[in-house]
Amino acid sequence: ELKVEQNPLFLSMQEGKNYTIYCNYSTTSDRLYWYRQDPGKSLESLFVLLSNGAVKQEGRLMASLDTKARLSTLHITAAVHDLSATYFCAGNRDDKIIFGKGTRLHILP
Amino acid sequence: KAGVTQTPRYLIKTRGQQVTLSCSPISGHRSVSWYQQTPGQGLQFLFEYFSETQRNKGNFPGRFSGRQFSNSRSEMNVSTLELGDSALYLCASSLTSYNEQFFGPGTRLTVL
Repeated sequence: ELKVEQNPLFLSMQEGKNYTIYCNYSTTSDRLYWYRQDPGKSLESLFVLLSNGAVKQEGRLMASLDTKARLSTLHITAAVHDLSATYFCAGNRDDKIIFGKGTRLHILP
Repeated sequence: KAGVTQTPRYLIKTRGQQVTLSCSPISGHRSVSWYQQTPGQGLQFLFEYFSETQRNKGNFPGRFSGRQFSNSRSEMNVSTLELGDSALYLCASSLTSYNEQFFGPGTRLTVL
């Protein structure tokens, strides 16, 4: 059974700093997803990573996938307050999408 | 293109009652998945429907059920509500199970 673990679960950081959220998964996942959720809102799809070595970037966010290490990372460059949210990674196996517990990111001005 | 819609947005029920939630996927999407989100358990997969067939089910009791209609709209039903069923119920649609999922705004269910 696929298990997805994120760390850290909570991250408070200063604006302008860089940081990385890690997502480990326990067994083969067909693909890896990253989502963002603002308080009281639904989930917004950020990235879908399909293969080993995949890297995708959107603004200050960059996601990568290492299938051999069963690891995906979400890197935040020069954080700004608007990026404060909860970030989820999710894996897909046997047609089920399994989510990590989420990383609550708080960016201090 | 219209997004995923869910109705109702908010519901208050009492223990023992039953509830039906509705989800209309993005036009052309045939896969609809349901998730329960709570502060304690996070996001948990309930079930997925594709072309009116349930393809997968998460680890929830039989009180949780669903169905999908020929127009891909889906409903989920929870019978004999318990306090612990209070949660945000999210529906997501995609072209197929492997494609990117688009989430609806959710239905917040409160069980008193």
